[in-house]
Amino acid sequence: DGGITQSPKYLFRKEGQNVTLSCEQNLNHDAMYWYRQDPGQGLRLIYYSQIVNDFQKGDIAEGYSVSREKKESFPLTVTSAQKNPTAFYLCASSRDRPGANVLTFGAGSRLTVL
Amino acid sequence: KNEVEQSPQNLTAQEGEFITINCSYSVGISALHWLQQHPGGGIVSLFMLSSGKKKHGRLIATINIQEKHSSLHITASHPRDSAVYICAVVKGNQFYFGTGTSLTVIP
Repeated sequence: DGGITQSPKYLFRKEGQNVTLSCEQNLNHDAMYWYRQDPGQGLRLIYYSQIVNDFQKGDIAEGYSVSREKKESFPLTVTSAQKNPTAFYLCASSRDRPGANVLTFGAGSRLTVL
Repeated sequence: KNEVEQSPQNLTAQEGEFITINCSYSVGISALHWLQQHPGGGIVSLFMLSSGKKKHGRLIATINIQEKHSSLHITASHPRDSAVYICAVVKGNQFYFGTGTSLTVIP
């Protein structure tokens, strides 16, 4: 079945460490997104990518980095520069431009900083 | 101010009740999505609307573009409908999300 696989599901990080969250899709979707979810807030966009080798900053990109070397993969690195990284991270994809297509989400990765 | 406002924030219903969740938005949009998030965290897309009304099983979604308002209705609610329902609008190349409505259906 087609879908999005995020890993790991749970991740613990010590302060000062970089961590990378994996996102892989087999839907042949062009667009991929990373969102952060905090209690009581709507999903906030970290980065998005419309095509391979191109990505754009979202509203809260500071302290995060991404790459899009393959259509299927859009990993997110949470760097030590991110001051409050404890959150639930969701990867999503859509066939192309967001206004014309539904979003498909991964199951999420919960990051906790110790 | 959030571009997307949902009401109510929390909703508890008895099994079998008719449920309505509301979404109002303040920007011009090309589409509106209703999403469902279960306790484990995964999100599934329920509807994408740009006008009118859509129905899928016991779920009905409507949108009024002039009034910048959408509703999600659940008929004959069931405990398995317990989840957070999220409204999201599309403006340009971006989604803007509401904070969600947490629904609990009691047997």
